[in-house]
Amino acid sequence: GENVEQHPSTLSVQEGDSAVIKCTYSDSASNYFPWYKQELGKGPQLIIDIRSNVGEKKDQRIAVTLNKTAKHFSLHITETQPEDSAVYFCAAPIYNQGGKLIFGQGTELSVKP
Amino acid sequence: DTAVSQTPKYLVTQMGNDKSIKCEQNLGHDTMYWYKQDSKKFLKIMFSYNNKELIINETVPNRFSPKSPDKAHLNLHINSLELGDSAVYFCASSQGGRSWINTEAFFGQGTRLTVV
Repeated sequence: GENVEQHPSTLSVQEGDSAVIKCTYSDSASNYFPWYKQELGKGPQLIIDIRSNVGEKKDQRIAVTLNKTAKHFSLHITETQPEDSAVYFCAAPIYNQGGKLIFGQGTELSVKP
Repeated sequence: DTAVSQTPKYLVTQMGNDKSIKCEQNLGHDTMYWYKQDSKKFLKIMFSYNNKELIINETVPNRFSPKSPDKAHLNLHINSLELGDSAVYFCASSQGGRSWINTEAFFGQGTRLTVV
């Protein structure tokens, strides 16, 4: 069936370094790609999203890139800080299944001071 | 002022019991969801309602029954609880109409259900 694959499952970086998380999706009709951050004990929260009419979007230290041909998109966090430590999820809607949002498996990011 | 609130935050109950989780959103959204997050953090959609109409009903046991009395509320009732039902359940909402597919979902804080 349609799915979203996310890698890596865990990522540990030093404060100030960059972090990259990658996702691939299978539904070629998908045209909306959000990234969510989940802090401990809280619900996921949208941090950035991208639509298929652009290849890159940036918001301060975070950016998302999209390659529709290859069906993959990535989250880039620069100058990481300890408060960036959380679980990050990518997602994509599956249109032939009512548009439900399928989440990747999650990446646990740990930023060491 | 919480956008999506769900209660209770923690729920510990014995096998075989029936329990409900309530969810309310004050964002004026037409679409609401229930997601289940397992111990490996995997998030899986269970149900979706658009303006009180069921639009997504994943393959979940029929012991799980969502109820939407109005578009601001989506409750989840679970009958005959089993050990495998232990998880964190998240309610979420997003804007309505067919554009709901491509809009931000706002999540509640989650309900940690533990079945003993």
